[in-house]
Amino acid sequence: GQSLEQPSEVTAVEGAIVQINCTYQTSGFYGLSWYQQHDGGAPTFLSYNALDGLEETGRFSSFLSRSDSYGYLLLQELQMKDSASYFCAVRLNTGFQKLVFGTGTRLLVSP
Amino acid sequence: NAGVTQTPKFQVLKTGQSMTLQCAQDMNHNSMYWYRQDPGMGLRLIYYSASEGTTDKGEVPNGYNVSRLNKREFSLRLESAAPSQTSVYFCASREDSSGANVLTFGAGSRLTVL
Repeated sequence: GQSLEQPSEVTAVEGAIVQINCTYQTSGFYGLSWYQQHDGGAPTFLSYNALDGLEETGRFSSFLSRSDSYGYLLLQELQMKDSASYFCAVRLNTGFQKLVFGTGTRLLVSP
Repeated sequence: NAGVTQTPKFQVLKTGQSMTLQCAQDMNHNSMYWYRQDPGMGLRLIYYSASEGTTDKGEVPNGYNVSRLNKREFSLRLESAAPSQTSVYFCASREDSSGANVLTFGAGSRLTVL
């Protein structure tokens, strides 16, 4: 089986930096993705790590360490609009197109 | 470019009734997915389809059936709805060639079973 665990909630203030962790137990996967979902909306793709290391996309960065079974999403210069839920996801190599999601982290950004 | 379109957006059913959620994508993607989202549970995979004519079970397939009749459309059917199937359902498609796990989601279908 597989599981991806995330903290349920994280709070931060505008302008700050926040890190959302994703620890996983899975037999094998192709890469780690991150998605953002605002209340009442659909998830949207943010970032993807195929290999270990850091990927940077504007204010967002994502990191993967396969040896530690761990990844994170880093959000810098937080804005109120970043208040949303964030999900990590992996594409398993036991079913080529099977994509499973983590439990999700709700980020609350305050003024 | 509409992306992924789901219908209906809202539906209320009585226990035992049946219904089909429709999903269509216009991005020529091979892979399509159905997820359900419940509070505190994240997104759970119900069924997925790697290509036209093929489907496979995800994490929570019981009580559901799917049909992938053509490349564009992937429908989800509840044969006998139960209150436990009250949820928000998302259809998604995936662009295969890049290798990245980039799903494009529909707006969601909010289903209540009384």
